Amino acid sequence: AQKVTQAQTEISVVEKEDVTLDCVYETRDTTYYLFWYKQPPSGELVFLIRRNSFDEQNEISGRYSWNFQKSTSSFNFTITASQVVDSAVYFCPGGSQGNLIFGKGTKLSVKP
Amino acid sequence: DAGVTQSPTHLIKTRGQQVTLRCSPKSGHDTVSWYQQALGQGPQFIFQYYEEEERQRGNFPDRFSGHQFPNYSSELNVNALLLGDSALYLCASIPFLGGYGYTFGSGTRLTVV
Repeated sequence: AQKVTQAQTEISVVEKEDVTLDCVYETRDTTYYLFWYKQPPSGELVFLIRRNSFDEQNEISGRYSWNFQKSTSSFNFTITASQVVDSAVYFCPGGSQGNLIFGKGTKLSVKP
Repeated sequence: DAGVTQSPTHLIKTRGQQVTLRCSPKSGHDTVSWYQQALGQGPQFIFQYYEEEERQRGNFPDRFSGHQFPNYSSELNVNALLLGDSALYLCASIPFLGGYGYTFGSGTRLTVV
């Protein structure tokens, strides 16, 4: 069975701090996809990144960066110089059969 | 280009009633999935529709059923509503079966009283 663990339930930082959100995806499948989504209070899941299990290259997009390590099943997300607009719940679902398995998410609060 | 559209946005129903939620996928997408998100939890996969047939199903009782129309839009039906069915119901569309280019709608907030 597949399982997503986001150990950090809530994180609170002050604006301009860097913050890393942790994610561990457990599966017996050798081929799978991992994602990060942002869910603001409006409810819509906003796509941030998709990574397949064969691609362990780190990725940077503006203030966002992602680190995937297949050996530890971790797919961590770092926000550099956080802003109040980054406040949301973040999910890192994974999947290998066409549907996504979600964890409970991490609620990030960025205070001015 | 419209994304995924869901209706209604909010709904209040009484225990035992039936409800129908609607979803229009993103233009060019032919596969629709439904997810249930209880308060404080991550979304849970309900089922996926492609070519008007249910292709995959999560761990949900038969009270949850769906339909997909020739124009790829979809409905989620829940019978005999329970208080525990109160949740945000998210629809997601993808370009093709087996793909992972998900686009999610804003959801329907269902409250069962």
